Amino acid sequence: KNQVEQSPQSLIILEGKNCTLQCNYTVSPFSNLRWYKQDTGRGPVSLTIMTFSENTKSNGRYTATLDADTKQSSLHITASQLSDSASYICVVSAPTGGGNKLTFGTGTQLKVEL
Amino acid sequence: AAGVIQSPRHLIKEKRETATLKCYPIPRHDTVYWYQQGPGQDPQFLISFYEKMQSDKGSIPDRFSAQQFSDYHSELNMSSLELGDSALYFCASSLGNRGSYEQYFGPGTRLTVT
Repeated sequence: KNQVEQSPQSLIILEGKNCTLQCNYTVSPFSNLRWYKQDTGRGPVSLTIMTFSENTKSNGRYTATLDADTKQSSLHITASQLSDSASYICVVSAPTGGGNKLTFGTGTQLKVEL
Repeated sequence: AAGVIQSPRHLIKEKRETATLKCYPIPRHDTVYWYQQGPGQDPQFLISFYEKMQSDKGSIPDRFSAQQFSDYHSELNMSSLELGDSALYFCASSLGNRGSYEQYFGPGTRLTVT
């Protein structure tokens, strides 16, 4: 079982609409949680990064929330644009002896249509 | 701003051949991470280096080796290539190897093994 589960697997919305993506994780211990946007064939691009003490963080039209008690996070996208079509990946960072290791979620494939 | 550079961007090799992927981190970044992303899969952490020393090791096959050089660039050497090695290989860099430091991803190298 993946230690970082995301839902839904895929989502289609109309341009201008809002949407919320979910992330549940079991990784422990936990340093921080990140949301990345990945276009097909490109490297992931960071949207937000939150430590366990942060509940919410915004980056433009992207707002991430974190509940470290329930080990859940969400990414809310407002006023969606066609360019938001991509894979959104929840990534949990865990400390290791030498540094940190990222565990990637299963991703949500978002498609924004006219 | 300068980003992570990876070369080559595309590489085609035959089974049992060797391949070398290169990663040039963002200037002043001292930590490099390597990830492998198979078709339709999540990126899997392979290995990381901090200050030219291996800092963490993930699911890197014994056929692969990597190192970080004095100028902080890193190379991933892959030998006895197998069809299953076909994937996108991402490199990421950060300033420091603590969990709170952001990892910036390169555009990836697409390796195709025939």
